[in-house]
Amino acid sequence: DTAVSQTPKYLVTQMGNDKSIKCEQNLGHDTMYWYKQDSKKFLKIMFSYNNKELIINETVPNRFSPKSPDKAHLNLHINSLELGDSAVYFCASSQSGAGSTFGSGTRLTVV
Amino acid sequence: EDQVTQSPEALRLQEGESSSLNCSYTVSGLRGLFWYRQDPGKGPEFLFTLYSAGEEKEKERLKATLTKKESFLHITAPKPEDSATYLCAVHSGGGADGLTFGKGTHLIIQP
Repeated sequence: DTAVSQTPKYLVTQMGNDKSIKCEQNLGHDTMYWYKQDSKKFLKIMFSYNNKELIINETVPNRFSPKSPDKAHLNLHINSLELGDSAVYFCASSQSGAGSTFGSGTRLTVV
Repeated sequence: EDQVTQSPEALRLQEGESSSLNCSYTVSGLRGLFWYRQDPGKGPEFLFTLYSAGEEKEKERLKATLTKKESFLHITAPKPEDSATYLCAVHSGGGADGLTFGKGTHLIIQP
């Protein structure tokens, strides 16, 4: 069974569209995250979500919004997509600050 | 602001040739230093967590060590399957309470 799963794996969309990426973890972890990996392979934290508390990296545009229907899910919504949003987005989860388990990534291409 | 610097950016070794990867960090209150391995097209895979200076962890051909300013990932007698990008990250509770990553060391082991 996949521990952290994200869908879709690939997403190609036009500028200005709104899109969502889904993430689910079956590890029973208490914290979930979204990371962005740019074209230079640099991984950067976007959000963390723990027990209904959302912590946002201040560099993330407010067009990005995470939504958590329950402890096992943290979906990423992106409004008004821009060319610069093209990247690989990773979902991850951890238990109380221990090592995070990452999903396999969603490659977003904005054209 | 937390900073993580990894060196070298890329390293090419012959099979069996041992070496070390460096991760130097600046954080305000280290809660953990993490090593991950990332293969092309996949998410980072957790290797080790180190919490305090002097701590060491081992797994097969890999050994991670930690001082107050840096961490080393020692690779002993590597095999071609050890080829990957190795990522170092710190958790300090700052930013979005996730991990702050370095840019990675791209390791190639030639048969």
